[in-house]
Amino acid sequence: DAGVTQSPTHLIKTRGQHVTLRCSPISGHKSVSWYQQVLGQGPQFIFQYYEKEERGRGNFPDRFSARQFPNYSSELNVNALLLGDSALYLCASSQSGGGAGRETQYFGPGTRLLVL
Amino acid sequence: AQSVTQLDSQVPVFEEAPVELRCNYSSSVSVYLFWYVQYPNQGLQLLLKYLSGSTLVKSINGFEAEFNKSQTSFHLRKPSVHISDTAEYFCAASNTGGFKTIFGAGTRLFVKA
Repeated sequence: DAGVTQSPTHLIKTRGQHVTLRCSPISGHKSVSWYQQVLGQGPQFIFQYYEKEERGRGNFPDRFSARQFPNYSSELNVNALLLGDSALYLCASSQSGGGAGRETQYFGPGTRLLVL
Repeated sequence: AQSVTQLDSQVPVFEEAPVELRCNYSSSVSVYLFWYVQYPNQGLQLLLKYLSGSTLVKSINGFEAEFNKSQTSFHLRKPSVHISDTAEYFCAASNTGGFKTIFGAGTRLFVKA
C-alpha cells in the first residue's frame, strides 16, 4: 500500500510569494494533519482536518490556511512568504482523527520549502 | 500549557553500547506519549507509544520506554545499539482527546563503530 505522499518534494520561493503544498493520505484515512519543522527543531502542529472540517489549529498566523477535499487529500497554503517560513512541511494521516492521541499518525516525507 | 523537553540535543555512543535518550513532559491533564524516529531526508516513523496500562512499552527493534508519572518522564532506552540506529529521535505528547501532538526539539543519536 502507498504511504502518505507529498508534493512537491522541494520548493524555492521568494519573500512575498504564495505557496501551495499538497498531501495525499493513506487510502482509507480520513484525517490529515500538517506540521512545520524548522531546521534543528521538532515539528510544530499547524492544522488538523477531518472529513473536510478543521478540527484543530496551532499558533500560526492567518497567512497559513488549509483545506481537505472529498477524496481526503489536503492542501496547505501560505501567503506573503517570509524568510522564517523556510522549513520542512510534514503531512500526517490517521484513520478517523478522533483525537490525535490514540491513533497512530503516519507521516509523509515532507516538502522542503526555501524562502529567499 | 503542555510541553515536551528532550534533555540532550546530541548523544554519541559506540556500537553495541547501551543508550538512554531522555524526555520530560509537562501537562496538567492525562497524556499519551510517543517516540518517533526520523532518518535523513525522510518523514517521521512511530517507534513506540504509551496510551495506558503497562508503563513499559517496547518497539520491534529493541527500543523500550517507561512512563514515569511521578517524574513526568518517558525516557527511551536500548541495551545495545547498531550503526543503523543513527537518526534523530523525537519525543512527543498529546492530551487525551486532543487534536494536536507536541514534539520535543529532538535528540540526534550518533552510533560510532
